[in-house]
Amino acid sequence: NAGVTQTPKFQVLKTGQSMTLQCAQDMNHNSMYWYRQDPGMGLRLIYYSASEGTTDKGEVPNGYNVSRLNKREFSLRLESAAPSQTSVYFCASSLRGSAFNQPQHFGDGTRLSIL
Amino acid sequence: QQQVKQSPQSLIVQKGGISIINCAYENTAFDYFPWYQQFPGKGPALLIAIRPDVSEKKEGRFTISFNKSAKQFSLHIMDSQPGDSATYFCAATHTDKLIFGTGTRLQVFP
Repeated sequence: NAGVTQTPKFQVLKTGQSMTLQCAQDMNHNSMYWYRQDPGMGLRLIYYSASEGTTDKGEVPNGYNVSRLNKREFSLRLESAAPSQTSVYFCASSLRGSAFNQPQHFGDGTRLSIL
Repeated sequence: QQQVKQSPQSLIVQKGGISIINCAYENTAFDYFPWYQQFPGKGPALLIAIRPDVSEKKEGRFTISFNKSAKQFSLHIMDSQPGDSATYFCAATHTDKLIFGTGTRLQVFP
């Protein structure tokens, strides 16, 4: 029972490099989310997808793009990495959106450092 | 900017004591208030949640108290155990997007 799987778990990039963070869920959930977690700032929503084929910006979308490839997979891309994007990135999914009081299930995160 | 303000930032409690974490919100449209628990190296996991039509919800040693008029809600952990040592996040929403508090790091010492 894998739940939400994120790859890679760790990554170090140089400024200006690009990278795609992968996320897959096996719970047949409709909604998927990308967050970043920084010390003292909690979890901030980058992008979310309410269903396959739809995406919407969250609180901190600048410098990121997303693709909802299918119902299972939701990827996050950094086109030109900056040191300010050093963070722990979490993917989450829920059966339906939070408006329906559905819990979000999180992966174990990708720890990304940008030098 | 919608916000959820959480305090304290860190909390140290002795085994068997009561841990209390507080959150305050501004948007009166919020209608769902979950708490998430996060262990080091792991993603957050839903612990307990409440809707504003009730003032208290209890699940085992964990209780949410909700004060709609004050726009505040809190998590109480009774008989705190070393295994409760984790970071706790409150959150709120009325849409598909959760707004998280900044987190409280709880350490329970034997």
